Amino acid sequence: GESVGLHLPTLSVQEGDNSIINCAYSNSASDYFIWYKQESGKGPQFIIDIRSNMDKRQGQRVTVLLNKTVKHLSLQIAATQPGDSAVYFCAERGGSYIPTFGRGTSLIVHP
Amino acid sequence: DAGVIQSPRHEVTEMGQEVTLRCKPISGHDYLFWYRQTMMRGLELLIYFNNNVPIDDSGMPEDRFSAKMPNASFSTLKIQPSEPRDSAVYFCASSSTGVLDTEAFFGQGTRLTVV
Repeated sequence: GESVGLHLPTLSVQEGDNSIINCAYSNSASDYFIWYKQESGKGPQFIIDIRSNMDKRQGQRVTVLLNKTVKHLSLQIAATQPGDSAVYFCAERGGSYIPTFGRGTSLIVHP
Repeated sequence: DAGVIQSPRHEVTEMGQEVTLRCKPISGHDYLFWYRQTMMRGLELLIYFNNNVPIDDSGMPEDRFSAKMPNASFSTLKIQPSEPRDSAVYFCASSSTGVLDTEAFFGQGTRLTVV
């Protein structure tokens, strides 16, 4: 039969708007979380990280929020630009050094 | 540093042929990961090495897949014989156990098409 492709959650925003990408993680023992950005035809690229002893961390135009109570992570991008269009992955890491990746969210920024 | 370097960038091969993917990790990194990315399954960890030693290969789909790391600056992922369902983008990544360098750095990937 015909194979069914993976349909990524998609977030469409207008240029200049703020974007919020959400991620639920599964391992309550995870102590380190990373957001990656993957542009078409490229490998995932590190954006920002946060350790479990923090609940917020800010970078340039990006902020990561961590809610350990509900095992939820979010990535906020301020003043979204067309160059931000990509697939965004959250990754969690427990006691080992092996990052486990989520399914990803596709961000589409309309000029 | 030039980052993680993978070769080839694209590979098209016929079913049954042997395929070898190559990776040069970032100098000084002691972890190396091989991932496979498909639309169906997303990003899957196949195998990882620590200090050139394979630690966990539970993600390797079949015995047709094998990986080696003969030294700290080179790793290969081999598929023999290749099948159409092996078509995917294969990524190599490396990381350090250092406190400041704990994210994984990915190569550009090898897009494999088996026809």
